[in-house]
Amino acid sequence: GAVVSQHPSRVICKSGTSVKIECRSLDFQATTMFWYRQFPKQSLMLMATSNEGSKATYEQGVEKDKFLINHASLTLSTLTVTSAHPEDSSFYICSARSDGKNIQYFGAGTRLSVL
Amino acid sequence: DAKTTQPPSMDCAEGRAANLPCNHSTISGNEYVYWYRQIHSQGPQYIIHGLKNNETNEMASLIITEDRKSSTLILPHATLRDTAVYYCIVRDPGTASKLTFGTGTRLQVTL
Repeated sequence: GAVVSQHPSRVICKSGTSVKIECRSLDFQATTMFWYRQFPKQSLMLMATSNEGSKATYEQGVEKDKFLINHASLTLSTLTVTSAHPEDSSFYICSARSDGKNIQYFGAGTRLSVL
Repeated sequence: DAKTTQPPSMDCAEGRAANLPCNHSTISGNEYVYWYRQIHSQGPQYIIHGLKNNETNEMASLIITEDRKSSTLILPHATLRDTAVYYCIVRDPGTASKLTFGTGTRLQVTL
């Protein structure tokens, strides 16, 4: 299957700092990528839809100024958690929709811990 | 997208077939059935999807009833590595394409 690389896999940061997470589709082009968040023992919640070359679409309740998304190429989307606080600690997962198929492939996730 | 209903948990003995059911009684004509699984602390893994015909790949088989109101994911010979949460998702690929995850079925494969 198609490969989506997400980096870093784990990050620990101090409160007030910003953290950038990268999501790359390695062997396919992805006009559309998605960012999810998952809290312990809960299901994945979609945060935003990222389209190459345009502004991301955020789900209700997700602050666009806090979770900055950039999708500058057909293989790379980034999520920046700005001024992170302990309540932002979570498992962040990206996915990329293969332009040639109607399948979303997921990265391995990034576990963010804000101290 | 139509809502799905899955049992919260199931057990299966290693080497036996695991049959995971999913109800999607409000599915519409353009909506496909997708299955993903999530092994602990990893991102979801795509398994299979289908519209109305039964589908099979190297991972699993998908059986969709004739009225399309339910489906079953079959892992023919479950192993301990198949222990995961399995999500059944109904989606129209012609729409905004986002996947909405429910609570899924936690499959525990035992010796």
